[in-house]
Amino acid sequence: EPEVTQTPSHQVTQMGQEVILRCVPISNHLYFYWYRQILGQKVEFLVSFYNNEISEKSEIFDDQFSVERPDGSNFTLKIRSTKLEDSAMYFCASSYPVGGKGQPQHFGDGTRLSIL
Amino acid sequence: AQSVSQHNHHVILSEAASLELGCNYSYGGTVNLFWYVQYPGQHLQLLLKYFSGDPLVKGIKGFEAEFIKSKFSFNLRKPSVQWSDTAEYFCAVRMTGANNLFFGTGTRLTVIP
Repeated sequence: EPEVTQTPSHQVTQMGQEVILRCVPISNHLYFYWYRQILGQKVEFLVSFYNNEISEKSEIFDDQFSVERPDGSNFTLKIRSTKLEDSAMYFCASSYPVGGKGQPQHFGDGTRLSIL
Repeated sequence: AQSVSQHNHHVILSEAASLELGCNYSYGGTVNLFWYVQYPGQHLQLLLKYFSGDPLVKGIKGFEAEFIKSKFSFNLRKPSVQWSDTAEYFCAVRMTGANNLFFGTGTRLTVIP
């Protein structure tokens, strides 16, 4: 069964540095998402992306964050000037557009981001 | 604001016991409902989903959930759990017309052999 893949599995970064988290969605999916889960808290929506643009974003997704689909396979989340509170597990997800937005999302294994 | 509540944070059961995990949401409109499972060290996997129709939905691995609209609930059930069901279970809700999922805080299930 095709999977969403995320790299790296664990990223350690100094506070203030920029970090790029990478995702390869399932190949025929067209909706892409980023979520994060701070340790001990719920999974929170960050952003969704469709047709090469952001379709929805949460309050968390401020100017510090950006997403990009640089080629036909990768979907990246960039976090600039990282802060301690950005430490979390970041999940990428994708879904297939049949029926519009109603299809379930398939998740990657996550990238654990640790800010020192 | 929309929210999803899972009141059981950690449930410990013996094998063969019955399971019911609660999920309530706060949103007055039409919703799509999901249960995801995360086995240790693995990614979130879809257990089952409700979009419309029969409010009792069956998923993989013997799980089922019932949507009770009047109670804004979507509880997950399994008649007889196995040790391999040990995992974290997340309820998620999507408002019709939206892309994003709202997740509950998750319930950790530990099944004792």
